[in-house]
Amino acid sequence: DAGITQSPRHKVTETGTPVTLRCHQTENHRYMYWYRQDPGHGLRLIHYSYGVKDTDKGEVSDGYSVSRSKTEDFLLTLESATSSQTSVYFCAIGGGNYEQYFGPGTRLTVT
Amino acid sequence: RKEVEQDPGPFNVPEGATVAFNCTYSNSASQSFFWYRQDCRKEPKLLMSVYSSGNEDGRFTAQLNRASQYISLLIRDSKLSDSATYLCVAPRDSSYKLIFGSGTRLLVRP
Repeated sequence: DAGITQSPRHKVTETGTPVTLRCHQTENHRYMYWYRQDPGHGLRLIHYSYGVKDTDKGEVSDGYSVSRSKTEDFLLTLESATSSQTSVYFCAIGGGNYEQYFGPGTRLTVT
Repeated sequence: RKEVEQDPGPFNVPEGATVAFNCTYSNSASQSFFWYRQDCRKEPKLLMSVYSSGNEDGRFTAQLNRASQYISLLIRDSKLSDSATYLCVAPRDSSYKLIFGSGTRLLVRP
């Protein structure tokens, strides 16, 4: 399995609070991705990174920001959490051949 | 038309059966495709990559039909452990972003 971890694995937070999710990899892959998965929608790309300090938006980026200051870490921040952001968040890494490997996921509940 | 479309199922088959899933894609320029497997409440895991006409790995065969823009996944001699959701995946463009289908659910019964 690819060396990719996510933290926290579970989180419950209140509406309006900021939340940061962390993705850490030990594979030295260039590309990192944040997805959310919801029933009826499948996996949707939030943001991705193609190198340190190089990031771009995905299809559902509103309300989210990301940062990548080191190759191994990719942070996803919900600036002011809303109930619609209750979801399962997956981080993925890729080496440039389109294959992506996923972390174990973070279950986020916004009350 | 959705960019990647799959029959959601569920496909309910007995152990030992052969089952096939199809997936259609809209971007005719796509060169590589993938099947991922996702167990309930777990992360998706790469099952097979399809870079040309097809790929075979044990009981699993993936085929690509570029003319009709679909890929298929064939599972022979189904096992109980094959029960999962199978995600069809295609590249969105040349930026290494992927489009995931909503998945086909497979239930293998004893």
